[in-house]
Amino acid sequence: GAVVSQHPSRVICKSGTSVKIECRSLDFQATTMFWYRQFPKQSLMLMATSNEGSKATYEQGVEKDKFLINHASLTLSTLTVTSAHPEDSSFYICSFRDRENTEAFFGQGTRLTVV
Amino acid sequence: RKEVEQDPGPFNVPEGATVAFNCTYSNSASQSFFWYRQDCRKEPKLLMSVYSSGNEDGRFTAQLNRASQYISLLIRDSKLSDSATYLCVVNSGGSNYKLTFGKGTLLTVNP
Repeated sequence: GAVVSQHPSRVICKSGTSVKIECRSLDFQATTMFWYRQFPKQSLMLMATSNEGSKATYEQGVEKDKFLINHASLTLSTLTVTSAHPEDSSFYICSFRDRENTEAFFGQGTRLTVV
Repeated sequence: RKEVEQDPGPFNVPEGATVAFNCTYSNSASQSFFWYRQDCRKEPKLLMSVYSSGNEDGRFTAQLNRASQYISLLIRDSKLSDSATYLCVVNSGGSNYKLTFGKGTLLTVNP
């Protein structure tokens, strides 16, 4: 199957700092990209959807100024958590959907801990 | 009502057992349906898509009942390696493709 590379896999940062998470599709062109987060024992919750070259569409309750998404190319998307707080500690996962397929491919996830 | 609701679990079964997972979804306009598995602290991985006619992949059988908005997954002859969280996933966005995940049901297969 298609490969999506996400890093870092784990990051610990101080409250108030920003963290950038990077996601690359390695062998296909991703027209649509999704960012999810998952709190312990909870389901994956969609944060935002973006198409290459356009602004992301954020889900209700997700602050667009706090979670900056850049989908600058068909193979790269980044999520920046700005001014992180302990309540932002979560598992963040990216997902790409390619032009040809209805299947979504997931990155390995990033476990963010804000102390 | 939650968009996608699953058995809360957890399920603990012996090797070789048959185990069934149930799921209901609230959006009748949903168009595609999936079962994913997620190992602890890992990303979800597609197990199988679910079709109205029902579909089987080895020991795994998935069923969809659109009228009652119900999805199921049956695992026969369970293996230790089947231990994971099983996620019911619905594309509730239609052509806009928005996946909605259930909370998942944890399965532990014991030797």
